[in-house]
Amino acid sequence: GDSVTQMEGPVTLSEEAFLTINCTYTATGYPSLFWYVQYPGEGLQLLLKATKADDKGSNKGFEATYRKETTSFHLEKGSVQVSDSAVYFCALRQTGTASKLTFGTGTRLQVTL
Amino acid sequence: DAGVTQSPTHLIKTRGQQVTLRCSPKSGHDTVSWYQQALGQGPQFIFQYYEEEERQRGNFPDRFSGHQFPNYSSELNVNALLLGDSALYLCASSFGARGLEKLFFGSGTQLSVL
Repeated sequence: GDSVTQMEGPVTLSEEAFLTINCTYTATGYPSLFWYVQYPGEGLQLLLKATKADDKGSNKGFEATYRKETTSFHLEKGSVQVSDSAVYFCALRQTGTASKLTFGTGTRLQVTL
Repeated sequence: DAGVTQSPTHLIKTRGQQVTLRCSPKSGHDTVSWYQQALGQGPQFIFQYYEEEERQRGNFPDRFSGHQFPNYSSELNVNALLLGDSALYLCASSFGARGLEKLFFGSGTQLSVL
């Protein structure tokens, strides 16, 4: 079945550092890929998405590129802020499966001053 | 504009009991999905409701059932609770059953089974 693997956390960075959170997936066909963010006490929020190979999703300074050859969708940000501290989830959705997302286990990011 | 609202926010039950969780979708949305998020894990898809019918289901036993009402709100029912059912239950809404639109998540109901 489909699966998503994320790097273990927590990831601890100083403000303005470069961020990479690795995500790889196993799936048949051409799924859509997503990054969601969960702030403390809040629901999941869509951060960015990509629907086909070589697409780059971007939002709020975060970027991720759909790499089919390496089955990866790594999240990057050039300069993190304390307010970026949250749990980040990588997810995929197969074509035709509506709202069924398959999530990774999440990576907690802690940004310090 | 209210987003997705869930009630209650916290709930404590004992093994063998039954529980009902509620969800009101974001205004304008007609599709509701439910997810279970165990501690330290990613959310797992339980099922999706559209037009008052279950349209898709994940790998959850029949103890998990749901309902969608004409106003698009939804309930998740879990019977014969097990300790392993302790988790954060998330509701997500969208427009249309094809999943082409963005999902909006509620803040969840934290269920503890003792």
